[in-house]
Amino acid sequence: AQKVTQAQTEISVVEKEDVTLDCVYETRDTTYYLFWYKQPPSGELVFLIRRNSFDEQNEISGRYSWNFQKSTSSFNFTITASQVVDSAVYFCALSGDQTGANNLFFGTGTRLTVIP
Amino acid sequence: DGGITQSPKYLFRKEGQNVTLSCEQNLNHDAMYWYRQDPGQGLRLIYYSQIVNDFQKGDIAEGYSVSREKKESFPLTVTSAQKNPTAFYLCASSLTGSQNTEAFFGQGTRLTVV
Repeated sequence: AQKVTQAQTEISVVEKEDVTLDCVYETRDTTYYLFWYKQPPSGELVFLIRRNSFDEQNEISGRYSWNFQKSTSSFNFTITASQVVDSAVYFCALSGDQTGANNLFFGTGTRLTVIP
Repeated sequence: DGGITQSPKYLFRKEGQNVTLSCEQNLNHDAMYWYRQDPGQGLRLIYYSQIVNDFQKGDIAEGYSVSREKKESFPLTVTSAQKNPTAFYLCASSLTGSQNTEAFFGQGTRLTVV
């Protein structure tokens, strides 16, 4: 069965602090894809990153970085020097053979509030 | 601008009425999806379509219906059979239905049934 756990329901940080959002997944697929999406107050989900199960290289994009560890089934997301504009709900999602045609299986999301 | 347009942004309906949510994309994507989002929960798949004139049920299809007569349009009807229709509905599209293609989302429709 597919499962994505985002144990942190809400996080508050002061601007310029670093923050890590946790994502733990379960799947029986050998080939799968992990995603992070950002949902700002406007409502639409904004794609941030995709990682396939064979690529465990960490990735950095500006202030964002992602740490993928198959050994612990985790795909954590770190924001460095957080800004007020980072305030949003962040979703981790999984897609694999068991989820069918690009059916993204979402975690419950982490609401990040960055306090100025 | 290319993107996904959902309308209306807010929708109010009386209990027992059917209501149709619009979703249009001009990205030339083959695949389109409807998700439902409830407070404190992740998104759950209602229906998806990988090609025109074809669609499949997702995890929570009961009480919903869709059509895909045109590539760019994937309307969702919330029927009176849906027991708890008040929710935030998100439409998405992707270039193909492959697992590795990212989905692009519309801004959502918040449906309130009174």
